[in-house]
Amino acid sequence: EAEVAQSPRYKITEKSQAVAFWCDPISGHATLYWYRQILGQGPELLVQFQDESVVDDSQLPKDRFSAERLKGVDSTLKIQPAELGDSAMYLCASSLRGGGAQGDTQYFGPGTRLTVL
Amino acid sequence: EDQVTQSPEALRLQEGESSSLNCSYTVSGLRGLFWYRQDPGKGPEFLFTLYSAGEEKEKERLKATLTKKESFLHITAPKPEDSATYLCAVQAGGTYKYIFGTGTRLKVLA
Repeated sequence: EAEVAQSPRYKITEKSQAVAFWCDPISGHATLYWYRQILGQGPELLVQFQDESVVDDSQLPKDRFSAERLKGVDSTLKIQPAELGDSAMYLCASSLRGGGAQGDTQYFGPGTRLTVL
Repeated sequence: EDQVTQSPEALRLQEGESSSLNCSYTVSGLRGLFWYRQDPGKGPEFLFTLYSAGEEKEKERLKATLTKKESFLHITAPKPEDSATYLCAVQAGGTYKYIFGTGTRLKVLA
């Protein structure tokens, strides 16, 4: 069964350091999403890619966060510098179509648990 | 404003005690409603997609239903392994964005 892959699974860093997360979506999925989930809350969208293009990054703190999906396949999310408030689960998801297709189901990876000390 | 509210926040059931979880939504033009199961420290696992009012879907002990204002996830004769957080999400018609609820934490006691 095809799955979304993420690495690392866990990351501990000190504030002001740089961190990077990697995601490989399900093969053939055009749309890739990065979410942040704080304990006890639902996932919140950070950035959405359609192929290699950003279609929504309105909630991405652009002063410290960046994301890329250069070849329209895998993606990297970077934080520089990390702050204490960035401690959370970072989830990657992919969907087959995107573009507002009705009922386009998102499939999630296992997530990266980030702890900033 | 598009919004999703899940209730209750937490639910404790005895094994075999059936119950329902609620997901109320306010969106402009629903394009899909999704249910996920999330175990601690893991990513959400897809359960169901519902498209229109009156639709129902089943999987093992779970059954999801949809009306114009809310969705229910019915759990029949739950087992301890059904313990998890259940998340509801809607795909809004106006913005095409996905809005997640905060989840219901279910604990099933043996």
